[in-house]
Amino acid sequence: EAGVAQSPRYKIIEKRQSVAFWCNPISGHATLYWYQQILGQGPKLLIQFQNNGVVDDSQLPKDRFSAERLKGVDSTLKIQPAKLEDSAVYLCASSPLKRDRGVGNTIYFGEGSWLTVV
Amino acid sequence: SQQGEEDPQALSIQEGENATMNCSYKTSINNLQWYRQNSGRGLVHLILIRSNEREKHSGRLRVTLDTSKKSSSLLITASRAADTASYFCATANQAGTALIFGKGTTLSVSS
Repeated sequence: EAGVAQSPRYKIIEKRQSVAFWCNPISGHATLYWYQQILGQGPKLLIQFQNNGVVDDSQLPKDRFSAERLKGVDSTLKIQPAKLEDSAVYLCASSPLKRDRGVGNTIYFGEGSWLTVV
Repeated sequence: SQQGEEDPQALSIQEGENATMNCSYKTSINNLQWYRQNSGRGLVHLILIRSNEREKHSGRLRVTLDTSKKSSSLLITASRAADTASYFCATANQAGTALIFGKGTTLSVSS
């Protein structure tokens, strides 16, 4: 089974420039997440999609970050304009549709897209 | 906001020794998960323990959960150099729709 695919793996941009990251989740997974992980910290949820609808984007800095999931499959995360503090790893993850809240779903992560803003 | 807090932040041991890391959380949970992250890689799910379970094993991993103390521990027995990684505990957010991760414990196992 193919895992979560992300690209590009590495990106260096200057502040105020824009960048876009792409994610292809595991086939059949209804839920897709974008997490931001700053060096030395745990991942922080930016946005969660279920199919092509947004479930939670409360921690997405909407003045500069945007994300979409067209057709409920692939997703892109865009940052425009980038700031120095956006330097981080952007992790895409997916999980099957949750059927039982008490059970909990395993989340499957991609390898991440490393962003350095200079 | 982060729900779980791992302790210690960093742990260095020799191969063959056991490694124990702890996680404390703030609100009631249905389950708690542990993930591993090798340097430069994504996170990998290790184990899930439900709120009605007190202990769970998977290979060299043993996880305990004490809901009265809102804490969990992950024990890796007979550690190997390949266990060198960061370990994160994760619990569901308030809506129960996504996972919230702690800051992690960085484990270094030297041969």
